[in-house]
Amino acid sequence: DIQMTQSPSSLSASVGDRVTISCRASQGISNYLAWFQQKPGKAPKSLIYGATSLQSGVPSKFSGSGSGTDFTLTISSLQPEDFATYYCQQYIDYPITFGQGTRLEIK
Amino acid sequence: EVQLVESGGGLVQPGGSLRLSCAASGFTFSRYWMIWVRQAPGKGLEWVANIKQDGSEKIYADSVKGRFTISRDNAKNSLYLQMNSLRAEDTAVYYCARGVIHDYWGQGTLVTVSS
Repeated sequence: DIQMTQSPSSLSASVGDRVTISCRASQGISNYLAWFQQKPGKAPKSLIYGATSLQSGVPSKFSGSGSGTDFTLTISSLQPEDFATYYCQQYIDYPITFGQGTRLEIK
Repeated sequence: EVQLVESGGGLVQPGGSLRLSCAASGFTFSRYWMIWVRQAPGKGLEWVANIKQDGSEKIYADSVKGRFTISRDNAKNSLYLQMNSLRAEDTAVYYCARGVIHDYWGQGTLVTVSS
C-alpha cells in the first residue's frame, strides 16, 4: 500500500498569513494527488486534483505543487473560513489512501 | 447542480447488516465511477470501495472485502453499499463521492455498530 504522510499534523496561523502543508508518498505517484478540505461536521470538499489543478469554484488562493513523492498545498491570505482540516490523497493505485490530515487552527 | 444524498445509516448490532443508498442528481450518473469513503468518529478518511460506470468493475478495501458489496442502478441514478457482518470498527460516517477525483461528496450517513 502507498502510505501518505502529511506534515505538520497541526498548524496555528493568523488571518492574512500564507501557509504550506506538505504531503509525502511512500513511493512515486506521478501527479495522482488530490487535496481536500473538511470543516467540523461537514463532508470533505475537493480543492485540487492532479497535484496542481484547481477544482471548479475553488478560489485561486489555494494552490498545489509537486510530483513524484513530494507535494505541497499552499493557502495564501488566510481567512476565517479557511481554518479546517486538510487531507491529501493518492489515487494512482489501490487501495486509495489518504494522509492523516493537517488541522489548521487560528492563532 | 450536482447533488449526492446518502441514506440508510443507523444503529445496528455487531454481526448485523445495513444497506446504504446514495441518490445522485444534477449530472449523468452513468458516466462516472462512484466511490464510498468512511470516517470513524474523530478519525481521518478511509476509502471503502469503487465501482465502474457500468458496474463491471468493483474494488474494495481489504478491511471490508467479503463483507461489503458496492452496486449501482444507473436507471435510478443510485449507488448502494450492502454491509454485512458488521463490526464495531465499521462505525463511521459513510460518504459517497463522484468520480476518480472525488469532486463532489454527499453529506454522509452515520452507521453505528453497537450492542
